[in-house]
Amino acid sequence: KQEVTQIPAALSVPEGENLVLNCSFTDSAIYNLQWFRQDPGKGLTSLLLIQSSQREQTSGRLNASLDKSSGRSTLYIAASQPGDSATYLCAVREMDSSYKLIFGSGTRLLVRP
Amino acid sequence: DAGVIQSPRHEVTEMGQEVTLRCKPISGHDYLFWYRQTMMRGLELLIYFNNNVPIDDSGMPEDRFSAKMPNASFSTLKIQPSEPRDSAVYFCASSPPGHFTGELFFGEGSRLTVL
Repeated sequence: KQEVTQIPAALSVPEGENLVLNCSFTDSAIYNLQWFRQDPGKGLTSLLLIQSSQREQTSGRLNASLDKSSGRSTLYIAASQPGDSATYLCAVREMDSSYKLIFGSGTRLLVRP
Repeated sequence: DAGVIQSPRHEVTEMGQEVTLRCKPISGHDYLFWYRQTMMRGLELLIYFNNNVPIDDSGMPEDRFSAKMPNASFSTLKIQPSEPRDSAVYFCASSPPGHFTGELFFGEGSRLTVL
């Protein structure tokens, strides 16, 4: 059974710092991995989608990498800002017929001014 | 372009009452998903549809839950009768055509409180 783990569960950093959020998954047979952001009381906003054949994706100050063989992904946030404060979730799409996304429990990020 | 639209945003009801949550997916998307989020269990997939047809409902907790998608622009999730343990945020999400490659777009969620 696929399990997705995100460490740390919470992170507090000063503004301007570069940071890395980690995501690991137990079964490397995935189609893709997606990173989301969730603000309190809101839905999930898709940040980056990495296909299994890709190594990384970039969007602005965000860079996500994927090492499928080791079951790891990282989300790198450059020059963090208070507006980046949110919960970040990763999710993998399993390589079976179910089309399911399996979510991690998220990393709650606080960027202090 | 409008995103996924859910209603109501908040619902407070008493145990035993029927609850209906509604979702309008993004136009052109042919996959629709219902998720439930709680502090204890995180995000759980309840059911998903492809071209209005339910594909996998193995995540639906029990017979009290049912979901329909009568057309490409509307879906409902019904709980009857509701119980306090059903209190959660229910999200609807949609995805564009494309086998296993589609990015998932979420609505703002419906926060359900069952007293």
